[in-house]
Amino acid sequence: EVQLVESGGDLVQPGGSLRLSCAASGFTFNSYWMGWVRQAPGKGLEWVANIKQDGSEKYYVDSLKGRFTISRDNAKDSLYLQMNSLRAEDTAVYYCARGARGNFWGQGTLVTVSS
Amino acid sequence: DVVMTQSPLSLPVTLGQPASISCRSSQSLVYSDGNTYLNWFQQRPGQSPRRLISKVSNRDSGVPDRFSGSGSGTDFTLKISRVEAEDVGIYYCMQGTHWPYTFGQGTKLDIK
Repeated sequence: EVQLVESGGDLVQPGGSLRLSCAASGFTFNSYWMGWVRQAPGKGLEWVANIKQDGSEKYYVDSLKGRFTISRDNAKDSLYLQMNSLRAEDTAVYYCARGARGNFWGQGTLVTVSS
Repeated sequence: DVVMTQSPLSLPVTLGQPASISCRSSQSLVYSDGNTYLNWFQQRPGQSPRRLISKVSNRDSGVPDRFSGSGSGTDFTLKISRVEAEDVGIYYCMQGTHWPYTFGQGTKLDIK
């Protein structure tokens, strides 16, 4: 059974940092592009970042302006999102998605940026 | 960025009746490889999104055949032939042709 389990979401103050993780199982992780998608409370979906199978290509939405970094560890079947200089508008549920265009999603982890 | 515009944004439907959602993109979604990367997602209340349709009209495994996708270029449609109670939720179109990938605003389907 394919599973994506996100973790690391928390309440953090503006300007703080957080690292999200996504543990994959049930499929050959290193065969897939992976991505992060976020959803602000009560709002729509925003694709945040993608990473190629071997990590050699990474893409980010422009609005992040270098604050977020996507990475992966194929030996651990894990995907990561390092988030720095967090702002209130980064408050959202962050989903891990399999495939360059999201053929399977995890249940999400909530990040709240507030003082 | 490519703007995806869905209509309607609210869709009350009687059980057993058909439903249709329109999605328009601000530019063509035909990719250089000839594919059109237009996906449809369903988000049931309290759940994460689930892909229903990829590349305009390809149903994902396990998706009931009452769901169908069509369209080309910039105009796309998701149709549900007979709405069931489990179809309640928000439906999003998403373009995966131009980075950054973008979603429509979502269409909330509920039972009349």
